[in-house]
Amino acid sequence: ETGVTQSPTHLIKTRGQQVTLRCSSQSGHNTVSWYQQALGQGPQFIFQYYREEENGRGNFPPRFSGLQFPNYSSELNVNALELDDSALYLCASSGLRVRSTDTQYFGPGTRLTVL
Amino acid sequence: QKEVEQDPGPLSVPEGAIVSLNCTYSNSAFQYFMWYRQYSRKGPELLMYTYSSGNKEDGRFTAQVDKSSKYISLFIRDSQPSDSATYLCAMSVGETSYDKVIFGPGTSLSVIP
Repeated sequence: ETGVTQSPTHLIKTRGQQVTLRCSSQSGHNTVSWYQQALGQGPQFIFQYYREEENGRGNFPPRFSGLQFPNYSSELNVNALELDDSALYLCASSGLRVRSTDTQYFGPGTRLTVL
Repeated sequence: QKEVEQDPGPLSVPEGAIVSLNCTYSNSAFQYFMWYRQYSRKGPELLMYTYSSGNKEDGRFTAQVDKSSKYISLFIRDSQPSDSATYLCAMSVGETSYDKVIFGPGTSLSVIP
């Protein structure tokens, strides 16, 4: 177990709705990254938060937004859901950015289905 | 051309075989090279991680990076049925191995007892 948890496990929404996915990082990890993994594909980087500020963003529209909280939890919000947003959403937490040997640890993911 | 290319397989080998998994990439700025293993319905877990070029060995796993050819490999010796999973190569150009990571599409591996 990586110590990274995500909720919910599965979620079904309809097109146009909004969704919030949650992640709880390992204690002491102040960097969290979110990824979208479509079926049969590798994870795609959405954005990263470091000390509650966005620290890099992939090629995703503004309707994908996030928050990171001081208690090592974070959220991914997606507005105006589209069918193509159906995917496994992964969060990954990483350490204190002190050493270049730090790595990230993934949670089990939230499976989102948009109908 | 995608930044990271990987043969999706599926790859099926008998137990005990040596497995070779490969990725090519186009961005010469990549500095960190990782291999993740992902079991069905689970998040990826880091197997091997290399900074810049060279080889790295950990038990039955060996990772190789050839920056001149923009080519990385993962070798699995004495493969076991428990190695059956999807293997993802990943690369980063950031300050750490988890900044702006680009993943390959993954290779599905089955090890047959």
